[in-house]
Amino acid sequence: DIQMTQSPSSLSASVGDRVTITCRASQSISGYLNWFQQKPGRPPKLLIYATSSLESGVPSRFSGSGSGTEFTLTISSLQLEDLATYYCQQGYRAPRTFGQGTKLEIK
Amino acid sequence: EVQLVESGGGLVQPGGSLRLSCAASGFTFSSSWLAWVRQAPGKGLESVALMNQDGSAKYYVDSMKGRFTVSRDNAKNSAFLQMSSLRAEDTAVYYCARDRAWGAFDVWGQGTMVTVSS
Repeated sequence: DIQMTQSPSSLSASVGDRVTITCRASQSISGYLNWFQQKPGRPPKLLIYATSSLESGVPSRFSGSGSGTEFTLTISSLQLEDLATYYCQQGYRAPRTFGQGTKLEIK
Repeated sequence: EVQLVESGGGLVQPGGSLRLSCAASGFTFSSSWLAWVRQAPGKGLESVALMNQDGSAKYYVDSMKGRFTVSRDNAKNSAFLQMSSLRAEDTAVYYCARDRAWGAFDVWGQGTMVTVSS
């Protein structure tokens, strides 16, 4: 199975900050990288698919980039409602696999 | 409304078995890949299995091969996760999710809790 590694595992930032989360795959995944947001007690929500495509209804402050084995999720201006845990996931090979998550806290 | 609803969770003793169900509505279930994902209390997301549209291709995470089996009944818009030889570390919320293009899970159920304990 493809291993996904996220960093950092936790992050504290202030409202208005620019936040970046990194995800690395154990092999090339050809852009098949998706990002999810999960709030406590809720199922995950798809934010970005195919590295950089924004899912419908997701605010434009979220963006994704990368290629090969290295990818990033960026929140351009952090908002209070962005308090959540973020996961990357590869969609290149079955079974799909997730990173370990990045818990985002608001200062 | 596009929806997935899991059921069948509960308390089971170590070594026991449990069958989870996932009922789909609002989309063409028979055209969709379907995944199972779990989340242990306070932990991250862990893939369990993935199944293609007609159930002819099934993929399992290495740690669950041989104990977990996925299946589907497209006539009833339902998918199933049969779990056996359950261990305490299988305690988790189990989600089903639709696997769309790019392997993106775009529709999720609310999850069903499985507790393995004596």
